[in-house]
Amino acid sequence: GNSVTQMEGPVTLSEEAFLTINCTYTATGYPSLFWYVQYPGEGLQLLLKATKADDKGSNKGFEATYRKETTSFHLEKGSVQVSDSAVYFCALRILTGGGNKLTFGTGTQLKVEL
Amino acid sequence: DTEVTQTPKHLVMGMTNKKSLKCEQHMGHRAMYWYKQKAKKPPELMFVYSYEKLSINESVPSRFSPECPNSSLLNLHLHALQPEDSALYLCASSQDGAGGSYNEQFFGPGTRLTVL
Repeated sequence: GNSVTQMEGPVTLSEEAFLTINCTYTATGYPSLFWYVQYPGEGLQLLLKATKADDKGSNKGFEATYRKETTSFHLEKGSVQVSDSAVYFCALRILTGGGNKLTFGTGTQLKVEL
Repeated sequence: DTEVTQTPKHLVMGMTNKKSLKCEQHMGHRAMYWYKQKAKKPPELMFVYSYEKLSINESVPSRFSPECPNSSLLNLHLHALQPEDSALYLCASSQDGAGGSYNEQFFGPGTRLTVL
């Protein structure tokens, strides 16, 4: 089957620290990979994506590289801000007979403190 | 307009009530989705509509009844819910139901449902 494994949270960092949130996946076929962010009380927003091996997705200072050899898609940011505090979900998408299905990881809560 | 809107924002209902959740998008998307999200958990897919036809039902109990009256609107009708159905209900849309690289899902802010 298809699954996504993320590191357990919460992750607590000081402002301007370096962030890594690990994500590995198992998939039948060739998935597209995504990071979604959910701020408190809100829905999910697409943060970045990659559709093939060695693609790097980037947005708002966040980056993740699709590594097929290690089946990973780790999220990184060089200098976090308090406003980055949120829950981050890694997800994969496969094409099924019924359509466009996302498989999510369990989510990692990030808390950034001054 | 790249927005998915959902109403109401909050809903409290009794186990004997009938209520509906509404989702709307004006991006010309032809696939729409309902997800259920419990606290501190990822979203779980419930239903997918593609070109106004139900294409995926993830074995959801019949007390949840989806409806897609047109390509911009998606409803979720609720009847005889249980307290364990309390959750955040998220709607999403995408260009269509295929898996092309352009076909990301856009999520609405959700309806926070409490069943008493």
